[in-house]
Amino acid sequence: QVHLQESGPGLVKPSETLSLTCTVSGGSITTINHYWGWIRQAPGKGLEWIGHMHFDGSTHYNPSLESRVSISVDTTKNHFSLKLRSVTAADTAVYFCVRVVEMATIHFDPWGQGTLVTVSS
Amino acid sequence: EIVLTQSPGTLSLSPGERATLSCRASHSVSNSYLAWYQQKPGQAPRLLIYGASSRATGIPDRFSGSGSGTDFTLTISRLEPEDFAVYYCQRYGDSPLFAFGPGTKVDIK
Repeated sequence: QVHLQESGPGLVKPSETLSLTCTVSGGSITTINHYWGWIRQAPGKGLEWIGHMHFDGSTHYNPSLESRVSISVDTTKNHFSLKLRSVTAADTAVYFCVRVVEMATIHFDPWGQGTLVTVSS
Repeated sequence: EIVLTQSPGTLSLSPGERATLSCRASHSVSNSYLAWYQQKPGQAPRLLIYGASSRATGIPDRFSGSGSGTDFTLTISRLEPEDFAVYYCQRYGDSPLFAFGPGTKVDIK
């Protein structure tokens, strides 16, 4: 059973870059039908898809964040990463890493437990 | 952009009762691309239903999904204490590729 675990700083200063890593265990990041992505949830708010990536290099980003975000996959370490540049307080959120399952349907399963990132000086 | 609206915002019910949650899309969504998630406080969301009506692995059969086009429903046939949570619908397609509804909170009456 695939398990995802986020790691990274819990506090980032305004204008700096938020960097998170998601380690995948129990399965390979190179599975054809799987993408690897990030979703965030601001405190007390709903869910916002950030983007996802396939190990072959194809990426898809939310247009609202596309100018500041990049997702990368490291197949040697079986993990993937998120970078969000020029952060502001509005980027304070719990960040979840997810596996995107694409077969006849497409959905997020499983999810990491989430990590709170606070943007503050 | 295909916007998802969920109703009601809050549903107050007692254990054993039936819960009916609605997810309405501003334009048609393929059945293949509609999913439901459950989120409990302090936890990550969990996939319940994918493809509008298929239960995810390990999900009890009291959870069922239905609907097509612009109207989708999540039904919990008999609420168990562990079912009190927030439920989100999610669609794929259009821009942005993925979007969630605002959620329905099912709380204890």
